[in-house]
Amino acid sequence: AQSVAQPEDQVNVAEGNPLTVKCTYSVSGNPYLFWYVQYPNRGLQFLLKYITGDNLVKGSYGFEAEFNKSQTSFHLKKPSALVSDSALYFCAVRVPTQLSFGAGTTVTVRA
Amino acid sequence: NAGVTQTPKFQVLKTGQSMTLQCAQDMNHEYMSWYRQDPGMGLRLIHYSVGAGITDQGEVPNGYNVSRSTTEDFPLRLLSAAPSQTSVYFCASRSGQGGYYEQYFGPGTRLTVT
Repeated sequence: AQSVAQPEDQVNVAEGNPLTVKCTYSVSGNPYLFWYVQYPNRGLQFLLKYITGDNLVKGSYGFEAEFNKSQTSFHLKKPSALVSDSALYFCAVRVPTQLSFGAGTTVTVRA
Repeated sequence: NAGVTQTPKFQVLKTGQSMTLQCAQDMNHEYMSWYRQDPGMGLRLIHYSVGAGITDQGEVPNGYNVSRSTTEDFPLRLLSAAPSQTSVYFCASRSGQGGYYEQYFGPGTRLTVT
């Protein structure tokens, strides 16, 4: 089955430190991969996507993600985390015209 | 643009009751979908529509009905509510049928079935 996995339920980092949220995928063919963020009591907001081309994708709020075909990964990164980045992050993959979401990773950035 | 709007924000139902969750978008998007979000399970697709008059089932369609009479509106009906339908429901829309377009989500409806 085509899917994504987020191996960490929670990620805790100190403000100013690098933030990484992991995502691996399992699809046949070329994957279309997405990251969304959900702040408390809000809907999901689109952060970035990989369709084709450059393996490093830049998105909103200073986030970026690196597509790695050999490792089937699409990890989300931010060089310097902010307390306001504390939220629930979802990785998703197109399968084939809808999205399949990972279980989500809760990010807590402590001051 | 208001984007994707959902009503109500909160709802409590008794087992066996029926209700309709409303969803509307003002972006002229062809594709609309309904998801439910449960802890530790991510978002699961309930039903989706690729245009007015066309709907299809997603991963977890049982107990829910949808219709799409206009481009703007995509209501979700719970036929006979069950405690297992306690969840947060999100409506989403996107432009076109290609899977490379990002989706826009509504603020959600938190439903409790007692």
